Amino acid sequence: GAGVSQSPSNKVTEKGKDVELRCDPISGHTALYWYRQSLGQGLEFLIYFQGNSAPDKSGLPSDRFSAERTGGSVSTLTIQRTQQEDSAVYLCASSLGQGYTEAFFGQGTRLTVV
Amino acid sequence: AQKVTQAQTEISVVEKEDVTLDCVYETRDTTYYLFWYKQPPSGELVFLIRRNSFDEQNEISGRYSWNFQKSTSSFNFTITASQVVDSAVYFCALSPRGGSEKLVFGKGTKLTVNP
Repeated sequence: GAGVSQSPSNKVTEKGKDVELRCDPISGHTALYWYRQSLGQGLEFLIYFQGNSAPDKSGLPSDRFSAERTGGSVSTLTIQRTQQEDSAVYLCASSLGQGYTEAFFGQGTRLTVV
Repeated sequence: AQKVTQAQTEISVVEKEDVTLDCVYETRDTTYYLFWYKQPPSGELVFLIRRNSFDEQNEISGRYSWNFQKSTSSFNFTITASQVVDSAVYFCALSPRGGSEKLVFGKGTKLTVNP
């Protein structure tokens, strides 16, 4: 696609439920990133993929958070047993890869846990 | 460890004023990249500029200019003759070279340009 696409754009879920957030990167981009933007917390790095592997998952806040990437393309971020503090905008970005080039961001998924 | 500080939380100016957004960074890497992103009310982060640590030349792009000074670890952003459409949150970010290529963001500066 022309840009990074994320779905859904908005998600409201009940506390304790699992959610899956999807990211479609720009075609040909081998690097993919997930960030979280919470009110007052700025943008926090969650995980980085190069191809299908995740050399850096240091930002995942707990073992309730996991992510995978298949076919070097689509990525899914899964949050299990959601808590209210998980409410945030989850942003995905992609770039051409190592040797750093600019990262292009999607419009984000706004997650609200009630 | 890497850190980016944007001391200005919010700035409000009147249209046509010049405004400078400050960014100070910390890193022990000798090679790194600095970025500015704009986040308008629509929410999507828009890339503005990338600068590597070996290039201290200032850059100008239309009404935008950037001043990179390694001596003070600063990468400031100036908007000349601001316009209402410049209203957004602006983020400065640092990318450490080697290992992961994640971006370390500052907390952002919310700029409001009033007509």
